[in-house]
Amino acid sequence: GQQLNQSPQSMFIQEGEDVSMNCTSSSIFNTWLWYKQDPGEGPVLLIALYKAGELTSNGRLTAQFGITRKDSFLNISASIPSDVGIYFCAGRGTGKLIFGQGTTLQVKP
Amino acid sequence: KAGVTQTPRYLIKTRGQQVTLSCSPISGHRSVSWYQQTPGQGLQFLFEYFSETQRNKGNFPGRFSGRQFSNSRSEMNVSTLELGDSALYLCASSLDPWTDTQYFGPGTRLTVL
Repeated sequence: GQQLNQSPQSMFIQEGEDVSMNCTSSSIFNTWLWYKQDPGEGPVLLIALYKAGELTSNGRLTAQFGITRKDSFLNISASIPSDVGIYFCAGRGTGKLIFGQGTTLQVKP
Repeated sequence: KAGVTQTPRYLIKTRGQQVTLSCSPISGHRSVSWYQQTPGQGLQFLFEYFSETQRNKGNFPGRFSGRQFSNSRSEMNVSTLELGDSALYLCASSLDPWTDTQYFGPGTRLTVL
């Protein structure tokens, strides 16, 4: 079946630094989604990608749909304390939507 | 437009009891998916409903069941609760099963004692 690997598992950075995380799949995906989850809340959709090579921004966040269709990247520029949370990637190939294990981001003021 | 709502937000039950969780999707969304989230296992897919029919089911025992009503609202039920069922249960809605973008509710935190 389809598998999704998300890395890194966790990050501890200084406020103002840029952050990068990625997801890779075992098969070709047609959609990549990136979510952020705050403690005790449900994931909130940040960016949706539907085409290979697509680069989409949402404020300080930028995500890309890899050319091979097997990976996606999320970058956060100039991190601030409220960026703290768990970031999930999700993707769909021929089956149902599947989720990565999440990247826990902590930001030190 | 109101988001996905889930009730109750918090629930405490004891082993052996059963529980019913409710989800109201975004207006106009007809597909509802349920997920179980635990610290060690991440987001695990439970099932997906569309037009009152279960379209997909994850790898969970038969104690976990669900249904969808004609107004697209959905419920999930867990019978004979076990300690390991303690988790955050998330509901997500989308326009239809062919639309990948899912929007999540705040979740129901279930604690089994």
